Amino acid sequence: DGGITQSPKYLFRKEGQNVTLSCEQNLNHDAMYWYRQDPGQGLRLIYYSQIVNDFQKGDIAEGYSVSREKKESFPLTVTSAQKNPTAFYLCASSISAGGVRDTQYFGPGTRLTVL
Amino acid sequence: DAKTTQPPSMDCAEGRAANLPCNHSTISGNEYVYWYRQIHSQGPQYIIHGLKNNETNEMASLIITEDRKSSTLILPHATLRDTAVYYCIVRVPQGAQKLVFGQGTRLTINP
Repeated sequence: DGGITQSPKYLFRKEGQNVTLSCEQNLNHDAMYWYRQDPGQGLRLIYYSQIVNDFQKGDIAEGYSVSREKKESFPLTVTSAQKNPTAFYLCASSISAGGVRDTQYFGPGTRLTVL
Repeated sequence: DAKTTQPPSMDCAEGRAANLPCNHSTISGNEYVYWYRQIHSQGPQYIIHGLKNNETNEMASLIITEDRKSSTLILPHATLRDTAVYYCIVRVPQGAQKLVFGQGTRLTINP
């Protein structure tokens, strides 16, 4: 069954700790994205990757880091430098970045709470 | 990307067609209309998109007016599971782009 998986669904972390959110897709998509959603707010782009071993900062990259060593995986690390990390984190992917094949499909999300 | 306007909320009876309007009067010739929905505490779900012709898939139909200044998403037989916030987005599918969701329409399906 093809799709995007994110784990864990809920994550709790203490202040000062780094935490890594997983995102895996078996859709053979080249492009992957990380967004953050706060209550009652829209999506804000953190990082995106158009191809393996390449990624670019989005609008709110400070305090976050990513890697793209495999086509199917795009993990996001929330570092202790992120001032307000409590949020709903969404991973998305698209066949390609740009063109009519760039429709983004989302995973179920990870809700991160900093205690 | 062109701005969109949607009603903040709508109600629909279960089993009836839900028609969700979207105004995008400043849309340019190469911008597509996309629809997503987000059920509470879940990731957004892609529904459908189109340029100028009407489109239909297993989830919904998209009707775009001839002047492309507005569109309607139609859920033909709404169920309780269709209760969600529906977002209309107008964008050019060019380059890796962030999706910008407006306020959307909160659709409630009533039994």
